[in-house]
Amino acid sequence: SYELTQPPSVSVSPGQTASITCSGDDLGDKYVCWYQQKPGQSPVLVIYQDTKRPSGIPERFSGSNSGNTATLTISGTQAMDEADYYCQAWDSSVYVFGPGTKVTVL
Amino acid sequence: QVQLVQSGAEVKKPGASVKVSCRASGYSFRTYGINWVRQAPGQGLEWMGWISTYNGNTNYAQNVQGRVTMATDTSTSTVYMELRSLRSDDTGVYFCARDRHSEIRDAFDMWGQGTKVTV
Repeated sequence: SYELTQPPSVSVSPGQTASITCSGDDLGDKYVCWYQQKPGQSPVLVIYQDTKRPSGIPERFSGSNSGNTATLTISGTQAMDEADYYCQAWDSSVYVFGPGTKVTVL
Repeated sequence: QVQLVQSGAEVKKPGASVKVSCRASGYSFRTYGINWVRQAPGQGLEWMGWISTYNGNTNYAQNVQGRVTMATDTSTSTVYMELRSLRSDDTGVYFCARDRHSEIRDAFDMWGQGTKVTV
């Protein structure tokens, strides 16, 4: 079965850039999306189709996907961005989630 | 208001079944498929399966295949997920989530509030 890997944690200072990677075989050939989940809340879609932002998502969230790695970038990180982030891809008629990355804003 | 509203928390004994509902409002129910995703305590997200709200077709994840049934009631814009033969590792929060697009399987743009199931 298809697997996605993410770093368990990323730390970033306020105002700096956080980059979260998601790796999988030939991931660049699939659409990747990203969700933000804060404690006790439902996930929120922040990036879909590798690079697109849903309405209402701040411009500081951006995405890319090439080769075996997709990346979610948070520019000018704010305290409110502290959360768990999950990547997701569609492969062989199933959705696969990455294990999640905890972003800490120090 | 566009939303998915789920049923309340459940406590079940091992071996029992649980049925969780997800009621959609504020949009054309039959246009977008619904997925079920669960999250064990302190763990990540796990996709369980998908149901077409248009014709009832389903696609279940291998890890719950044989124990799960998803169904729709178009008269009430509600999707149901039943999980049988419950085990302790089925404990967690169960979410319903709407397909972002009616024809492209790429992301979920709206989620229910979650239903806590304790086995």
